[in-house]
Amino acid sequence: DGGITQSPKYLFRKEGQNVTLSCEQNLNHDAMYWYRQDPGQGLRLIYYSQIVNDFQKGDIAEGYSVSREKKESFPLTVTSAQKNPTAFYLCASQDRGGVNEQFFGPGTRLTVL
Amino acid sequence: RKEVEQDPGPFNVPEGATVAFNCTYSNSASQSFFWYRQDCRKEPKLLMSVYSSGNEDGRFTAQLNRASQYISLLIRDSKLSDSATYLCVVTSYNTDKLIFGTGTRLQVFP
Repeated sequence: DGGITQSPKYLFRKEGQNVTLSCEQNLNHDAMYWYRQDPGQGLRLIYYSQIVNDFQKGDIAEGYSVSREKKESFPLTVTSAQKNPTAFYLCASQDRGGVNEQFFGPGTRLTVL
Repeated sequence: RKEVEQDPGPFNVPEGATVAFNCTYSNSASQSFFWYRQDCRKEPKLLMSVYSSGNEDGRFTAQLNRASQYISLLIRDSKLSDSATYLCVVTSYNTDKLIFGTGTRLQVFP
């Protein structure tokens, strides 16, 4: 089955620690995205990548980092510099030759203790 | 002003009712429009794209009004399973990025 997987589903982290969220897709999509969602707010774009070995900052990139070494994988690191990291993190992918629909993974709920 | 604005609701409607949501967008150059559905604590999933001529998919009808910069979603004969948050989504001008509204929550009761 084609799709996007994210792991882990729930993650707890102590303040001051870096943590990496996994995102893998087997849809052969070129573009991948990371969003965070907070209660009562829409999805906000953290980073995106339109091709392997290239990525751009989104609207709220501070305190986050990404890599795109493989087409299938786009991991997100939440660093200790992120002031308020507790949130629901969603990864998405998109076929750039298509009609802009983005397919989402099931999300990772990060809680900083 | 937010780029995409929606009434957060909640809209509480009985089964069988017809309900409509509106969404306004600020960038007149926006080119693609979508409605996504998001269940509680789950990921968003595409409900339908919105075309200039309007489009229908079963009980769901989407309309686009470019002159007034709003899109709408009409749900007829509401089912309990329609209870969810409906996200209005617009593409950013000249990029592949999507701009998400905060969502409108629908609760259908028996």
